[in-house]
Amino acid sequence: GAVVSQHPSWVICKSGTSVKIECRSLDFQATTMFWYRQFPKQSLMLMATSNEGSKATYEQGVEKDKFLINHASLTLSTLTVTSAHPEDSSFYICSARVTPRTDTQYFGPGTRLTVL
Amino acid sequence: SQQGEEDPQALSIQEGENATMNCSYKTSINNLQWYRQNSGRGLVHLILIRSNEREKHSGRLRVTLDTSKKSSSLLITASRAADTASYFCATDGRDSSYKLIFGSGTRLLVRP
Repeated sequence: GAVVSQHPSWVICKSGTSVKIECRSLDFQATTMFWYRQFPKQSLMLMATSNEGSKATYEQGVEKDKFLINHASLTLSTLTVTSAHPEDSSFYICSARVTPRTDTQYFGPGTRLTVL
Repeated sequence: SQQGEEDPQALSIQEGENATMNCSYKTSINNLQWYRQNSGRGLVHLILIRSNEREKHSGRLRVTLDTSKKSSSLLITASRAADTASYFCATDGRDSSYKLIFGSGTRLLVRP
C-alpha cells in the first residue's frame, strides 16, 4: 500500500518559536494532502486542505497566518506552526489522497508537538 | 467540525466476544470509512463502504451503512486483545473536496 511519512515524529520547542512539520508521500504522487490536529482522547479535526501548486484551503476557525502550509511538490507538504504557544501542543497528522484513485487516503504516523 | 457522533464512547469486552460500534453523520456522503488508531499512533484504514452499499465484510470486520438513518456500524467478531484501540468513522461528502470528516471515536478495550 501507499506510504506516507512525517518528520519529525515528535518535537519539543519553546514558546514563541516556529516549528515545521513535513508530510511526504513516499511511493505515489499526491496532488492533495490534508492536515489534521488531534488533542488527547479526542477525534481528528481537519485543519486545512493542501493542494500542490496552489494556496491551502483552511477550515473555519483555523488561522492561516498561524499555520502556514506549503505544498511545493507532488510528494511534499509542510505545515509550519508559527510563534508556537503551549495551546498549540497537539498531535498533528497528515493524509494524502492517491491520485487518481480519489476515494483512498493514506495517513502519516503523526507528529507530537509539545510547546513549553 | 466533526461530522457526527460515535457510540459508545468507550467499550470494554472480554477476548472472544464481539464488539459493535455505531456512527451517525449529518450530511449526504459519497462513502464512509472506518479507521483504527493505536494510542499515540497514526491511523490505519480498515474498510470503506460506498453510499450505494449496505454491507461490507473484511476478515473479522463487518460494516453496515443505512443512508436513510445516516448511520453506520462496525462489528468486530471474535475480538482479540490486539484489537484494543480507538476506532473512528469518517465520511467523505458529496462536495467533491475529498475531505474526510471524523466522528468522535470509540475507545475499545479487549481484556485478555
